[in-house]
Amino acid sequence: NAGVMQNPRHLVRRRGQEARLRCSPMKGHSHVYWYRQLPEEGLKFMVYLQKENIIDESGMPKERFSAEFPKEGPSILRIQQVVRGDSAAYFCASSPWASGTDTQYFGPGTRLTVL
Amino acid sequence: AQSVSQHNHHVILSEAASLELGCNYSYGGTVNLFWYVQYPGQHLQLLLKYFSGDPRVKGIKGFEAEFIKSKFSFNLRKPSVQWSDTAEYFCAVMNNNAGNMLTFGGGTRLMVKP
Repeated sequence: NAGVMQNPRHLVRRRGQEARLRCSPMKGHSHVYWYRQLPEEGLKFMVYLQKENIIDESGMPKERFSAEFPKEGPSILRIQQVVRGDSAAYFCASSPWASGTDTQYFGPGTRLTVL
Repeated sequence: AQSVSQHNHHVILSEAASLELGCNYSYGGTVNLFWYVQYPGQHLQLLLKYFSGDPRVKGIKGFEAEFIKSKFSFNLRKPSVQWSDTAEYFCAVMNNNAGNMLTFGGGTRLMVKP
């Protein structure tokens, strides 16, 4: 059973470009979470999605960031007009249910570098 | 809002030494508690978790943790560390009445000298 997959693993963008990060949850999991880890900091929650629905986006920056989890295909975290401060590791996690007793399983992360 | 503190940012131990990593959280409601580990070059893996019941929980690789509600703490322990335990350790808390988000501590980098 494959784990959570993220691609690309490393992404380099120049300021002003767009970054698209993909996350394929574990088989059978319909809940996806995105977290961001800035250098020398812990992971910070960004957004929680179910298929075709955003459930909680309280951690998302108000501008330039968006996320989706379509009926078919991976979840996408999109960052428009990237700035240097967006450089971070972005982790995706998935769980099978919405219960608080569910473990979230993490992917390997995408390391975004903005030049 | 919930916050999680890990007191030690860097810990260096010799093999066979005992380990205790501190974790405290701020919100006093019903919480679920987790320790994750990130080995060099790998993704986060669950070490152990506490939802209810016995406050002493055992995880993989000989790790254990104790939930002390009165102290808002969930410290991680291992009686005898190995070189292969070199990794970064993250404590995380989920508030049962505040959605499914995990709030993470800043992490503790553990280096075990052979």
